[in-house]
Amino acid sequence: KAGVTQTPRYLIKTRGQQVTLSCSPISGHRSVSWYQQTPGQGLQFLFEYFSETQRNKGNFPGRFSGRQFSNSRSEMNVSTLELGDSALYLCASTPGGGTGELFFGEGSRLTVL
Amino acid sequence: AQTVTQSQPEMSVQEAETVTLSCTYDTSESDYYLFWYKQPPSRQMILVIRQEAYKQQNATENRFSVNFQKAAKSFSLKISDSQLGDAAMYFCAYRRSRPPSKGETSGSRLTFGEGTQLTVNP
Repeated sequence: KAGVTQTPRYLIKTRGQQVTLSCSPISGHRSVSWYQQTPGQGLQFLFEYFSETQRNKGNFPGRFSGRQFSNSRSEMNVSTLELGDSALYLCASTPGGGTGELFFGEGSRLTVL
Repeated sequence: AQTVTQSQPEMSVQEAETVTLSCTYDTSESDYYLFWYKQPPSRQMILVIRQEAYKQQNATENRFSVNFQKAAKSFSLKISDSQLGDAAMYFCAYRRSRPPSKGETSGSRLTFGEGTQLTVNP
């Protein structure tokens, strides 16, 4: 069974640009959540999607958005990039029952110049 | 809000020895889940062990075990017979089991600690 797949693995953007990251969950998993990991702030929850609906959102500005498609694949978008958005963005999937283990992808490393 | 604290930024252990990583958390909930995740240099987070708060028995997974002290809000991880492959960043994480407020679901939101970098010396 394939694991959680995140693309792209690495990307470099400049301030003011926007970026879209993609996450394909494990087959059969309906919940996808996103986390931002930085050396200064650690791991912070961005949002979670379940059956195409956002069901939890972390404390991030509106520049951070996401969506989930009918096949459970998810994208997150960051608009008007700032230097502080440089981070590892991790996606995790779970079947969605609320008790299952979260399975993480390898992350997308975003560098903003 | 729930918080998770790992007071040991770095730890080291000799191969085959035992090491304990500390974690404390703060919550007003009575029912929740606690996890230890491992993040090797490959960056992929891997679940090491999990504990349901309603269970008094400490969880064990092969060489990994926890000491869960609910009253003290402490959740330490013990790694026995340490191996070189255990070297990684270890994160303690909390997840509530009930919705935080009306209209929300508990979902799968995790609150992580700051992490402990474990070095295993040959």
